[in-house]
Amino acid sequence: GAVVSQHPSRVICKSGTSVKIECRSLDFQATTMFWYRQFPKQSLMLMATSNEGSKATYEQGVEKDKFLINHASLTLSTLTVTSAHPEDSSFYICSATRGRATGELFFGEGSRLTVL
Amino acid sequence: QKEVEQNSGPLSVPEGAIASLNCTYSDRGSQSFFWYRQYSGKSPELIMFIYSNGDKEDGRFTAQLNKASQYVSLLIRDSQPSDSATYLCAVINYGGSQGNLIFGKGTKLSVKP
Repeated sequence: GAVVSQHPSRVICKSGTSVKIECRSLDFQATTMFWYRQFPKQSLMLMATSNEGSKATYEQGVEKDKFLINHASLTLSTLTVTSAHPEDSSFYICSATRGRATGELFFGEGSRLTVL
Repeated sequence: QKEVEQNSGPLSVPEGAIASLNCTYSDRGSQSFFWYRQYSGKSPELIMFIYSNGDKEDGRFTAQLNKASQYVSLLIRDSQPSDSATYLCAVINYGGSQGNLIFGKGTKLSVKP
């Protein structure tokens, strides 16, 4: 089956630093990847849609200058949290869809960000 | 505001029993419905999807959809302790963003040995 890999799985950083999270589709080409954020005991919230070769589409309330998304190839999308603050601490999950027929999303393993 | 509602639980069932998880959604334009399982600290994994009214069975899992009532459920037969997890209901309206699944907050299921 389709596999989406995410790295790192866990990262701890100081406030004010930037953190990059990678999302790779391992056995299929993903023209579109999605970035979600999940706070404890909350649902997944879509942050942005990452489109290969073009600018990402951000959901309302998500700062595009703070959460930089780059989708440089058909198998890689990156999310950079710039000038991270403790309130950015969360579980960040990427996903990709292989096709439109079912809308089925394949999720990465998730990245737990802790900002001290 | 499009919403997906789930009882947060926890829902506790004994091993071997049937676990019934329920979900309602507000967007009548929703076309496909998904159940994901999420273990603590892990990302969601797809269990089933359904897009036609009625029942869809896959092993111990049965998804039920009633579009008129805007209701979708997941039944887990012969529940096992390994089924203990949070179950997320998600819906999609293809008229919007392709990947814009709307997730419920999830129901925590606990299967007691």
